[in-house]
Amino acid sequence: EAQVTQNPRYLITVTGKKLTVTCSQNMNHEYMSWYRQDPGLGLRQIYYSMNVEVTDKGDVPEGYKVSRKEKRNFPLILESPSPNQTSLYFCASRGTSGSIYEQYFGPGTRLTVT
Amino acid sequence: DQQVKQNSPSLSVQEGRISILNCDYTNSMFDYFLWYKKYPAEGPTFLISISSIKDKNEDGRFTVFLNKSAKHLSLHIVPSQPGDSAVYFCAASVGGGADGLTFGKGTHLIIQP
Repeated sequence: EAQVTQNPRYLITVTGKKLTVTCSQNMNHEYMSWYRQDPGLGLRQIYYSMNVEVTDKGDVPEGYKVSRKEKRNFPLILESPSPNQTSLYFCASRGTSGSIYEQYFGPGTRLTVT
Repeated sequence: DQQVKQNSPSLSVQEGRISILNCDYTNSMFDYFLWYKKYPAEGPTFLISISSIKDKNEDGRFTVFLNKSAKHLSLHIVPSQPGDSAVYFCAASVGGGADGLTFGKGTHLIIQP
């Protein structure tokens, strides 16, 4: 089954404790991205990657890091989480042929930083 | 500056009637538009899209209309069904979407029995 998976689905942590949210896709997609969803603000892009070792900032990259060492994986790293990073996070992927605009989203990770 | 705007946070429609969700955009470089549907505790799922070279695209009960001169698009759902109750996001892309999609804030559609 074609899918984007994220782990963990729920995470409660404390300010300053480094964490990583993993994202993996099994569709051999070149393009992957991370979004956060906040009430009244919709979905905002954090980082994206066009391919292995190619990453770039989205609209709200402050406080986040990413890496793309393998095509299928695109982890989101919070080196020193703060309460304003409490949010619902989505990973997405898409190919570069066919329906190139259509992104497939993971189920989401709800992060709470206290 | 919000480039994709969904000005109705929520919309309530009776089952069987037509649901019309609206979206406005400001960036004239957008050339592809998509609608996503999101249920609670799930990721958004692709619903329907339209290229800027068209003014209408239909898929079953769902039709998207694009008015480029007004920078406005709308999603029509007819007839509306209880399973359509969800949050709908309008999204737009420039060129090949290399820098991702720009989303609106979403409209919560509630279908009343």
